[in-house]
Amino acid sequence: QQPVQSPQAVILREGEDAVINCSSSKALYSVHWYRQKHGEAPVFLMILLKGGEQKGHEKISASFNEKKQQSSLYLTASQLSYSGTYFCGTVGRGSTLGRLYFGRGTQLTVWP
Amino acid sequence: EAGVAQSPRYKIIEKRQSVAFWCNPISGHATLYWYQQILGQGPKLLIQFQNNGVVDDSQLPKDRFSAERLKGVDSTLKIQPAKLEDSAVYLCASSAQLLGKFNYGYTFGSGTRLTVV
Repeated sequence: QQPVQSPQAVILREGEDAVINCSSSKALYSVHWYRQKHGEAPVFLMILLKGGEQKGHEKISASFNEKKQQSSLYLTASQLSYSGTYFCGTVGRGSTLGRLYFGRGTQLTVWP
Repeated sequence: EAGVAQSPRYKIIEKRQSVAFWCNPISGHATLYWYQQILGQGPKLLIQFQNNGVVDDSQLPKDRFSAERLKGVDSTLKIQPAKLEDSAVYLCASSAQLLGKFNYGYTFGSGTRLTVV
């Protein structure tokens, strides 16, 4: 039930945009997004609970397509501080325990 | 608000030795998780507590791993005996999430990097 993330890695110049995708083979209740910098703990960015929902966090936003069991994370006008590994986590619809399955991550590198 | 506290930060042990990790979650968070993160992979759930009861330990290798959460606050994860493949970062997280109400994000601690030699 581990979600699949793509791409595996992205390299950007400061100010460029990026999209990270997360897809699941199972129907989803929710999607989480986290960012982890090297040697640090994952940091919660946002949670999406409803199909069609979009959320924003400064210049980072995400969407959730419930029918396609997919979510995308959008990073606009990227900053150096956006560098890190981005993980999506999914909770399956009908889950009684709310177990969160993480993808393998997308490594984002922003260069000046 | 204080974050999730974990110790030790690093640990190196020989295979077949035992090791214990400690976690203090965010005050008021009912749910506590232990995750294992192998280099280059996403975190994998080992065990989930709600208050001081185990909710999900289906992915915990119970022949060598054990965990407890006394009084519904601090938690300890133990490995005995350790194997080489246990080398990983062990992350503790807490959440305001309750069973049937999965609307909250997780707050992770800084983790314990375990190296088994």
